[in-house]
Amino acid sequence: GAVVSQHPSRVICKSGTSVKIECRSLDFQATTMFWYRQFPKKSLMLMATSNEGSKATYEQGVEKDKFLINHASLTLSTLTVTSAHPEDSSFYICSSPGRGPEMNTEAFFGQGTRLTVV
Amino acid sequence: AQSVTQPDIHITVSEGASLELRCNYSYGATPYLFWYVQSPGQGLQLLLKYFSGDTLVQGIKGFEAEFKRSQSSFNLRKPSVHWSDAAEYFCAVGEGTYKYIFGTGTRLKVLA
Repeated sequence: GAVVSQHPSRVICKSGTSVKIECRSLDFQATTMFWYRQFPKKSLMLMATSNEGSKATYEQGVEKDKFLINHASLTLSTLTVTSAHPEDSSFYICSSPGRGPEMNTEAFFGQGTRLTVV
Repeated sequence: AQSVTQPDIHITVSEGASLELRCNYSYGATPYLFWYVQSPGQGLQLLLKYFSGDTLVQGIKGFEAEFKRSQSSFNLRKPSVHWSDAAEYFCAVGEGTYKYIFGTGTRLKVLA
């Protein structure tokens, strides 16, 4: 099946710094990428939807200036957490729908990134 | 509004016992339904999915789920639980554009 590779898997950063998370589609063109966030002991909540070559669409309550999304190519979408604070510590995961003759209508998830802001 | 409800936050079963995790959804059209498993510190692994057709769906690791439109349910079952099944399980509804709405998850504990 399709593979979405997400890096890094874990990152610890100091408060006030920025962190970039990458999601790459390895064997298909990801025209759309969804970014989710999972708070401790909570479910996954959709943060934003990015489409290649256009601005991301953010869900209500998500600060677009804090969570910068770039989807400059068909195989790479990035999420940058700017001026990170401890409350941004969370599990971030991306997903993309598969495309191609052998792909079913399901989304493929990256491995996730555990962000800890100290 | 679309929603997914997993009524059980925690479930504890003994190894070898049967398991049923509940999932109810609210969705206007015919839903795409999924069950995912997440081990501690890991990403999501797809267990099974329902798009159409046979309402009893077989998945990996011996799991199955049954879609019941009249009850708006998609419960996950396994006849005999293994200790390695201890994890968090998420039910999800897929919208047409592959955006997923997740339930709050059920944490499964397996007793030896």
